[in-house]
Amino acid sequence: SAVISQKPSRDICQRGTSLTIQCQVDSQVTMMFWYRQQPGQSLTLIATANQGSEATYESGFVIDKFPISRPNLTFSTLTVSNMSPEDSSIYLCSVSRDPNTGELFFGEGSRLTVL
Amino acid sequence: GQQVMQIPQYQHVQEGEDFTTYCNSSTTLSNIQWYKQRPGGHPVFLIQLVKSGEVKKQKRLTFQFGEAKKNSSLHITATQTTDVGTYFCAGVNTNAGKSTFGDGTTLTVKP
Repeated sequence: SAVISQKPSRDICQRGTSLTIQCQVDSQVTMMFWYRQQPGQSLTLIATANQGSEATYESGFVIDKFPISRPNLTFSTLTVSNMSPEDSSIYLCSVSRDPNTGELFFGEGSRLTVL
Repeated sequence: GQQVMQIPQYQHVQEGEDFTTYCNSSTTLSNIQWYKQRPGGHPVFLIQLVKSGEVKKQKRLTFQFGEAKKNSSLHITATQTTDVGTYFCAGVNTNAGKSTFGDGTTLTVKP
């Protein structure tokens, strides 16, 4: 398993502002991902956070809106930029220790409300 | 792109009744995973199926992977109130190294 700490756990933000979510893992992991889960919905992959290089974004997500950093194998940040109410969601950091199995461990999530 | 569909969206059962959720992928999968998310919680990994036709059991839970590796099911026998939550399947494409989640089935159990 993996211990994943995310912060903030929740926040209320004003439209037009940006917020950075941090994800800290208790040990080095190969794969780190950022997911979004809107209320009552499934999990949608935003991007794969690549250590030392630019993140790989899924269709519908762009770097300008969701810049991601991953300076090392245990830490990543996701910024939600120029927020609008549509960005209100739970953002989840996820890691996989074994790229062959793909088993995912999730952080507790960061619940953002944009007013 | 890959799509993973799950039915039903909701299921309400009386405690003691059985429950099944079904997962279908638009493409052949490398493997499939199942997760459970309790209300207010985060998804927790339950199991992974890799082989065509594979069946795995965890106590009252039975997981099955289809012969074509495009569908899967989770069956819970004699549900308990602790089974409440949303069950997600996630199809894995090894080439991409990422999981695509189904829409989830939310189970409620009446005591």
